[in-house]
Amino acid sequence: GAVVSQHPSRVICKSGTSVKIECRSLDFQATTMFWYRQFPKQSLMLMATSNEGSKATYEQGVEKDKFLINHASLTLSTLTVTSAHPEDSSFYICSALSGGFGANEKLFFGSGTQLSVL
Amino acid sequence: GESVGLHLPTLSVQEGDNSIINCAYSNSASDYFIWYKQESGKGPQFIIDIRSNMDKRQGQRVTVLLNKTVKHLSLQIAATQPGDSAVYFCAERSRGSARQLTFGSGTQLTVLP
Repeated sequence: GAVVSQHPSRVICKSGTSVKIECRSLDFQATTMFWYRQFPKQSLMLMATSNEGSKATYEQGVEKDKFLINHASLTLSTLTVTSAHPEDSSFYICSALSGGFGANEKLFFGSGTQLSVL
Repeated sequence: GESVGLHLPTLSVQEGDNSIINCAYSNSASDYFIWYKQESGKGPQFIIDIRSNMDKRQGQRVTVLLNKTVKHLSLQIAATQPGDSAVYFCAERSRGSARQLTFGSGTQLTVLP
C-alpha cells in the first residue's frame, strides 16, 4: 500500500530554536497533505491543510507564522515550528491524500514526530 | 460545533473474544467514516472505512457498522489478539469539505491473556 514517510521521528530542541519536520509520499503524488497535532492520551487535532503550490489553510487558533508549512512538490510537505517553546512539545503527524477526490481517495499517515522542547 | 465522540475510553477483552468499539457522531453531513488503529508513538493505521450509502462493511477480522438514523458507528474485531491492543479512533469527513478528517476521542483496547 501507499507509504508516507515522516522525519525525524523524534527531536529534542532548546527553547527558541526552530524545528523542521518532513512528510514525504513515497509511491504516490499528493496534492493535499494534512498536519495534525496530538497531545498525550488525546485525539488528533487538525492544524492545517497543505496544498501543493499554494498557501496552506490553517485551522482556527493555529498561528501560521509559528507553524510554517511548505508544500513545494507533489511528494513533500514540511512543517517548521519556529521559535519553539515547551508548550509546543507534542506529537506531530502528517497525512497525505492519495488517489485524488472521489471513491478511490485514501488518506495515509506518517509515523509521527515527537517534539520535545526544553 | 460538530463533534465525533466515543462511548467508552477503555475496553478490556480476553484474547480470542470479539471486541466492539463504538463511536457517536453528530454531523449529519458526514458521508465517509474511517476507523484507525494507533499504537503508542506511531501514526494512525487505516483499518477499514465505510461510506454513508452503506450500513455494513467487512474486512479481515473486522466489521464496521453504520447506523445513520442514530448517527452511530461501530468497529467489531473478531477473535481479538494481543496485537490488537492499541487506541482506536473513528474519524469522519463531511460531504463537500476540504477532505480533512475529524477524529473522535479514541478508545484504548487492551487484550488480556
